[in-house]
Amino acid sequence: GAVVSQHPSRVICKSGTSVKIECRSLDFQATTMFWYRQFPKQSLMLMATSNEGSKATYEQGVEKDKFLINHASLTLSTLTVTSAHPEDSSFYICSARDLQMSSTAFFGQGTRLTVV
Amino acid sequence: KQEVTQIPAALSVPEGENLVLNCSFTDSAIYNLQWFRQDPGKGLTSLLLIQSSQREQTSGRLNASLDKSSGRSTLYIAASQPGDSATYLCAVRRMEGGSEKLVFGKGTKLTVNP
Repeated sequence: GAVVSQHPSRVICKSGTSVKIECRSLDFQATTMFWYRQFPKQSLMLMATSNEGSKATYEQGVEKDKFLINHASLTLSTLTVTSAHPEDSSFYICSARDLQMSSTAFFGQGTRLTVV
Repeated sequence: KQEVTQIPAALSVPEGENLVLNCSFTDSAIYNLQWFRQDPGKGLTSLLLIQSSQREQTSGRLNASLDKSSGRSTLYIAASQPGDSATYLCAVRRMEGGSEKLVFGKGTKLTVNP
């Protein structure tokens, strides 16, 4: 099946710093990538939808200036958490949709962010 | 607004038992429904995808059914194994705010005891 690689898998950062998370589709082209956040024992909540070459669409309540998304190519999207605070600590997961199999979404392995 | 509910939240069974996980959704206007597996601290692995026009899908020991009119789906796992222990998530794909989105349930945490 299609592979989505997310990096890093874990990151610990100090309050006030920025963290970049990468999401790559390794063996397919993805015009659309999705970024989710998951708190313990909660469901995945969509943060934003990223389309290659255009601005991301953010869900209500998600600060676009805090969570910067760049989707510069058909295989790479990045999420940057700027000026991170402890409440940003969470599990972040990306997903990519295959151009050829548009009904199927493939997920990365997730990034555990801890802000201290 | 679409809401997805999964019952039970947690389930513990002995090895070898057959089991059913339930998923319900409030709005039947969906494109498809997908079942995922999530291991602790990991991403999601797609198990089965059922298009809105389909009634069920099977893969190995897994069988998923979809009754769109009643807003229900079940995931049946036959002859459960300890390796099946994980959280199982269901998600529906629908149009929302002009774009297609996946709406997830909170999952059912399954423990299969040796």
